[in-house]
Amino acid sequence: EDQVTQSPEALRLQEGESSSLNCSYTVSGLRGLFWYRQDPGKGPEFLFTLYSAGEEKEKERLKATLTKKESFLHITAPKPEDSATYLCAVLGSGNTGKLIFGQGTTLQVKP
Amino acid sequence: ETGVTQTPRHLVMGMTNKKSLKCEQHLGHNAMYWYKQSAKKPLELMFVYSLEERVENNSVPSRFSPECPNSSHLFLHLHTLQPEDSALYLCASSQEGYRTDTQYFGPGTRLTVL
Repeated sequence: EDQVTQSPEALRLQEGESSSLNCSYTVSGLRGLFWYRQDPGKGPEFLFTLYSAGEEKEKERLKATLTKKESFLHITAPKPEDSATYLCAVLGSGNTGKLIFGQGTTLQVKP
Repeated sequence: ETGVTQTPRHLVMGMTNKKSLKCEQHLGHNAMYWYKQSAKKPLELMFVYSLEERVENNSVPSRFSPECPNSSHLFLHLHTLQPEDSALYLCASSQEGYRTDTQYFGPGTRLTVL
């Protein structure tokens, strides 16, 4: 059964304090691993798609990496506006559009 | 309008009411999805439509009835709901294909069942 586990559940950082969020997954034939950002009461906002181990993508202060078992979302010198819940999801080869989501990591960045 | 839009944004209904949620995507995609997001739980896929045909019904109770009249519009018809159905309902769309299947989400409808 496809499964996604994110850690930590919650993370508090001081502004400028870099850190990483973890997404561990098991899936039958990875078609893609997706990172989203979600603000309270809003829909998830797409950040990155990673397709194969070794792939990396960057956007501003965020960098996503992928191995065969996990993905990391690295946040460099975060700002208070980076505070949100970060969601990881995987799409397996046997599923039609069926994203499997983790429970998310809620990040709070204090000024 | 751009992206994925959903209406209404907030809905309060009684257990005997009938209401519908509407989703529209302006991205030219060929697949649409309904998700349920409850507090402290991961997003749960409810329905998948690909080329206007339902390809996934994730063991959803029959009080939820989806409709996809064309590739741009998706509805979720609600009737005789229960208080535990209160949640954020999210619509998403994607273009099915190799390395193009990223799903883009709408803002959601916050549903409260009294």
